[in-house]
Amino acid sequence: KAGVTQTPRYLIKTRGQQVTLSCSPISGHRSVSWYQQTPGQGLQFLFEYFSETQRNKGNFPGRFSGRQFSNSRSEMNVSTLELGDSALYLCASSFTGSSQAFFGQGTRLTVV
Amino acid sequence: TQLLEQSPQFLSIQEGENLTVYCNSSSVFSSLQWYRQEPGEGPVLLVTVVTGGEVKKLKRLTFQFGDARKDSSLHITAAQPGDTGLYLCAEAGGTSYGKLTFGQGTILTVHP
Repeated sequence: KAGVTQTPRYLIKTRGQQVTLSCSPISGHRSVSWYQQTPGQGLQFLFEYFSETQRNKGNFPGRFSGRQFSNSRSEMNVSTLELGDSALYLCASSFTGSSQAFFGQGTRLTVV
Repeated sequence: TQLLEQSPQFLSIQEGENLTVYCNSSSVFSSLQWYRQEPGEGPVLLVTVVTGGEVKKLKRLTFQFGDARKDSSLHITAAQPGDTGLYLCAEAGGTSYGKLTFGQGTILTVHP
């Protein structure tokens, strides 16, 4: 069974630009969550999608958004990038009703 | 919002030594998970504990959940260089769909 796939693995963007990150969950998993990981703040929850609906949202500004498609694949978008958005963005998928999260390898975003 | 405190933040030991990592909260955990993350990878679930007083073993790793479900510990016996990584505790479950609240993590380095 293929694991959670995130693309791209690495990304360098300039302040003010926007970026879209992609996540393909494990087959059969309908819940997809996104996290931001930084050395200072650790792992912080961004949002969670289930059946194309956002069910839960973390405490991030509106520049951070996401969506989920009918095949459960998910994308997150960050607009008007700031230097502080540099981080490892992790996606996790879960089977319905399970708290066990399977994480992808992450996308390393660097904003210059 | 549940705040999870992990200690110590850093741990550097020699191969063969024992160690314990702690995770504490002022509130009762719904359930508590431990993850291990290696550089360049996403976190991987090690164990989920749900019941107060629960003890689970995974080879040389022993996980304990406090009786009051407000604290947990991870004990590693005879640490090996392959145990090196970031150890994270996280609260899961409840009605916060797909949301894990993570501690800051413990960076463990085991020297040969």
